Amino acid sequence: AQRVTQPEKLLSVFKGAPVELKCNYSYSGSPELFWYVQYSRQRLQLLLRHISRESIKGFTADLNKGETSFHLKKPFAQEEDSAMYYCARGPSLKTSYDKVIFGPGTSLSVIP
Amino acid sequence: ETGVTQTPRHLVMGMTNKKSLKCEQHLGHNAMYWYKQSAKKPLELMFVYSLEERVENNSVPSRFSPECPNSSHLFLHLHTLQPEDSALYLCASSQDLGDRVYGNYGYTFGSGTRLTVV
Repeated sequence: AQRVTQPEKLLSVFKGAPVELKCNYSYSGSPELFWYVQYSRQRLQLLLRHISRESIKGFTADLNKGETSFHLKKPFAQEEDSAMYYCARGPSLKTSYDKVIFGPGTSLSVIP
Repeated sequence: ETGVTQTPRHLVMGMTNKKSLKCEQHLGHNAMYWYKQSAKKPLELMFVYSLEERVENNSVPSRFSPECPNSSHLFLHLHTLQPEDSALYLCASSQDLGDRVYGNYGYTFGSGTRLTVV
């Protein structure tokens, strides 16, 4: 079965410390990977996509096909980064629709 | 409101009731989705509609019945639910780019409907 795993349910870091949210995936073919974020009392929203190779709010994520990982990183955590983070993967094969599978999520808490 | 709008925000229903959840998007997207988010499980895909046609039913019980009358609206009809169906139901939309491997896409989510079955 295609799966996305996030080994940490909760992660606490101090403000200014580096943060890494882990994500591993099972795959068949070439996957598309995403990170979504849900801040308190806000809707779930797309943070970044591996295909774009972008940095959003200081976060980056590198796809490592050898380790089947897509860890989310930020060198200096800020209090406003406290949120729920979901790793997700898209379909590996050509499909006529988006089918995104989500991991269980990691709750990040940045301590002032 | 722009984006994806879901109503109602909260719903409490008995096991014998019939109710419907509504989702509306004003983004010009052509694909819409229902997800279930419960406390102890990852986000679960329930239904996918692309170009108003249901393309996936992820083994969802028949007490959940989706309807997509047009590309902007999506409903989830509920009847004879169980307490374990209590959850946050999220609607999402995206632009289906057709036959491609890599697409510049992502989901836009609604705020969800918090459903409690009593």
